[in-house]
Amino acid sequence: EPEVTQTPSHQVTQMGQEVILRCVPISNHLYFYWYRQILGQKVEFLVSFYNNEISEKSEIFDDQFSVERPDGSNFTLKIRSTKLEDSAMYFCASSLSVGVSYSPLHFGNGTRLTVT
Amino acid sequence: KNQVEQSPQSLIILEGKNCTLQCNYTVSPFSNLRWYKQDTGRGPVSLTIMTFSENTKSNGRYTATLDADTKQSSLHITASQLSDSASYICVVTSRNQGGKLIFGQGTELSVKP
Repeated sequence: EPEVTQTPSHQVTQMGQEVILRCVPISNHLYFYWYRQILGQKVEFLVSFYNNEISEKSEIFDDQFSVERPDGSNFTLKIRSTKLEDSAMYFCASSLSVGVSYSPLHFGNGTRLTVT
Repeated sequence: KNQVEQSPQSLIILEGKNCTLQCNYTVSPFSNLRWYKQDTGRGPVSLTIMTFSENTKSNGRYTATLDADTKQSSLHITASQLSDSASYICVVTSRNQGGKLIFGQGTELSVKP
């Protein structure tokens, strides 16, 4: 069964450094997402992406964050200058559609980001 | 404020027993409700998706119910197995925000032999 893959599985970085989290969504999916989960807390929506542009973003997704689909397969999340509070598990997800058909979101296994 | 609340926070049951997990939500306008299973260190995996017109949906030993009037859902697990040990998360989508899922805190289920 096709799956969403994320790399790296664990990233440690120093405060103020830039990080890029990488994701390869399922190949025929059209909608892409980033979510994050701070340890012990709920999964939170960051951003959704469709047709090469952001379709929706949350308050968390400020100017420090950006997403890109540089080629036909990768979907990246960049944090320009990391803060301690950015430490979390970051999940990439993709879906075939977002409309009435309610196709499920398929999640990757996440990248654990630790900011020191 | 759009919120999803789950109970209980954690649950321990013996292998082979049934259990029911609860979810209440205040998301409006409502689009659909999903149950996800999340194993430790893994991403969430979809179990069921229900729209407002669906009262029940099954996926193997998992049966989800939805009461859109009272804004409540439940997930019933039948004949539990050790591999059912995981966090079960109720997730709701608002009609105005198609791709934005609103997650509950999850119920941590532990199945003991």
